[in-house]
Formats: sequence, C-alpha cells, structure tokens
Amino acid sequence: GDSVTQMEGPVTLSEEAFLTINCTYTATGYPSLFWYVQYPGEGLQLLLKATKADDKGSNKGFEATYRKETTSFHLEKGSVQVSDSAVYFCALGDAGNNRKLIWGLGTSLAVNP
Amino acid sequence: EAQVTQNPRYLITVTGKKLTVTCSQNMNHEYMSWYRQDPGLGLRQIYYSMNVEVTDKGDVPEGYKVSRKEKRNFPLILESPSPNQTSLYFCASSLWGPRTSGRWDEQYFGPGTRLTVT
Repeated sequence: GDSVTQMEGPVTLSEEAFLTINCTYTATGYPSLFWYVQYPGEGLQLLLKATKADDKGSNKGFEATYRKETTSFHLEKGSVQVSDSAVYFCALGDAGNNRKLIWGLGTSLAVNP
Repeated sequence: EAQVTQNPRYLITVTGKKLTVTCSQNMNHEYMSWYRQDPGLGLRQIYYSMNVEVTDKGDVPEGYKVSRKEKRNFPLILESPSPNQTSLYFCASSLWGPRTSGRWDEQYFGPGTRLTVT
C-alpha cells in the first residue's frame, strides 16, 4: 500500500542555517503531497502542498518540489529562525481506491539562537 | 474566526469511566475526522465522517465511537477507557473528503486533547 517515509529527528540547527527534511513516498497513481507543521502545544496546520509532478509548493520561506522520478517531496528552507522550531509532517493524499491520507511519523526541528 | 475547537484540552480519568471529547467546526465543512498521536507512531486515524450521519472506521477504531448528527459537531466517545488509550487526540475537518479526482482539501486541526487513563 501507499506509504510515506520521513527522515528521523530530532534535527537541531543554528539560526540562519539551511534546512532540509527528507520525505519519500510510495504510491500508485498520482497522489497529492503535503507538509504540515505542528508548533508546540498546537494542532497541525498546512504549510504547503503540491498536487502534481514538478509542482513546487511554497509558504513562509519553505519550499518543496513534487519529484515523481525520485518519489520525493523534500522540505527546504534557506535560513531557519528560532520560530521555525516545530514538528513537521509529510503526508500523501491517496488518489486511488483507498482514498486515505497517509502520514509520515514527523520530524522534530529545534533551532537555536 | 474559522476554527476547530475541542473540549476538554486536558483530561485525566480512570479505567472504565465513560467520557466524551467534543469537536466543533464553524467552517461548514463536510469532512471530519479524529486522530490520535503517539510517540514513534505518528498520527493514526480513528474514525472519519464524510457528511452528516455518515461515519466510517479509520485505522484504529477499536474502543472508540463517534456520531455525526449535525454538520458542525463530531464527538469522540470512549465507552470504557483503558490505559492504552492514553494519547493526544486531534479532531480535523476539511471542506470535502477525498474527491473523485483524488485531490484532498486542506485539513484544519483542533488544538488537541491530552487524555490520560489510569
């Protein structure tokens, strides 16, 4: 079945460092891909999304490109801030018969000043 | 303000004492769902509802019940809680469920309910 694999955390960076959080997926068909962020003590919220191959989602300085050839949707940010400290979830929207949202396990990011 | 609200935010209870966690959304969303979040296991869907009076099991429905009598409300019921149901619970809603095109709408999450069953 469909699945999402995220790099394990925690990831610890200094402010202004470059961030990459890897996400790869397996799926039949053409799923939608999402990154959600969970700030401490809060629910998840959508960070960005992409609905077809080669789409680039972007928001708040974060970017991710839907790469069908490598089945990846890596999250990047050029210069992280302390306020980016959170847990990041990669998710796949199954377009096939299952029609489910498949979630990665989450990657915790801590940014130090 | 568009939001999903959950109550209570924190709850400590004892094994076997029935409880209900409420969830309400003010965005006229059709699709609602419940998740539990556990360390190392990520988010797992408990139940979902495509619209009023239509509910279905998610990945981990055992020990839980839901109802959807009104569009805005989707309570989660634990008839006889057990310690393995100690978890962080999230309600979520979206405009529609999975569309026939395969597309998914943005999920809006509540703030979470931390439940401890002793």
